[in-house]
Amino acid sequence: EDKVVQSPLSLVVHEGDTVTLNCSYEVTNFRSLLWYKQEKKAPTFLFMLTSSGIEKKSGRLSSILDKKELSSILNITATQTGDSAIYLCASRSGGGADGLTFGKGTHLIIQP
Amino acid sequence: GAGVSQSPSNKVTEKGKDVELRCDPISGHTALYWYRQRLGQGLEFLIYFQGNSAPDKSGLPSDRFSAERTGESVSTLTIQRTQQEDSAVYLCASSLRVRETQYFGPGTRLLVL
Repeated sequence: EDKVVQSPLSLVVHEGDTVTLNCSYEVTNFRSLLWYKQEKKAPTFLFMLTSSGIEKKSGRLSSILDKKELSSILNITATQTGDSAIYLCASRSGGGADGLTFGKGTHLIIQP
Repeated sequence: GAGVSQSPSNKVTEKGKDVELRCDPISGHTALYWYRQRLGQGLEFLIYFQGNSAPDKSGLPSDRFSAERTGESVSTLTIQRTQQEDSAVYLCASSLRVRETQYFGPGTRLLVL
C-alpha cells in the first residue's frame, strides 16, 4: 500500500522566519510528487516534481525531490501570516488508481 | 466556468439517510476524482473517472458509497444509509487528462448526526 508521511505535523514560527517541511513516500512505481496548500477547504496546487535534484521555485516557495532518499522538502522563506495553512504532500504512482496518495499534512502557523 | 464547483457546500443529515453530493468539473477536463478528508486526517482517494472508461472504484470504503458521471461532465457521489463516521469534507478534483495536475473544488462538508 502506498504511503506518504509528512513532518512535522504542526509548526509555529514568527513572521520572517524560514521553514522547511518534509515529505517521505513509499509508492509502487513512483511517477511524481505534488505539494498543495490548503486553506479552508480546497487545496491549491503548488508544485509537481518528477525529477530528482531539480528545484522548482515560485516566489518565496521552493521544493526539491530526492528520489534516492524517497523524500521531498518544501521551503518557505521570509514567511508571512498569509502562509498559514495546511501543506499537503501527495504521491502519484504509475500502477492502479490514478488518484493521489496524500500525507496528513503539516499545519503551519505564522505568528505576527 | 472558472473552476471546479461542488454542491451543496454543507450538508447535515441524520444517520441512516441517503445523501447525494454533486461535482461540476472544469469544462473540457476528461478526468474527475473524488476524495474524502476526515477531521485531522489527510485526503483519502475514493474514486476516479476517465472519459468513458469504467471508473476506478478501488478507494470506495464500502458498498454504501457509489458515484456516477455523465459523459465528461457532472458527477454525483451517493452515500446510502449514512453513518456518523461518514462525516467529512468530500472534495472533487478534475484534470485535463489523466495524470495531469488536478484542480480541486471547494468541497462539501457532510455532518451525519
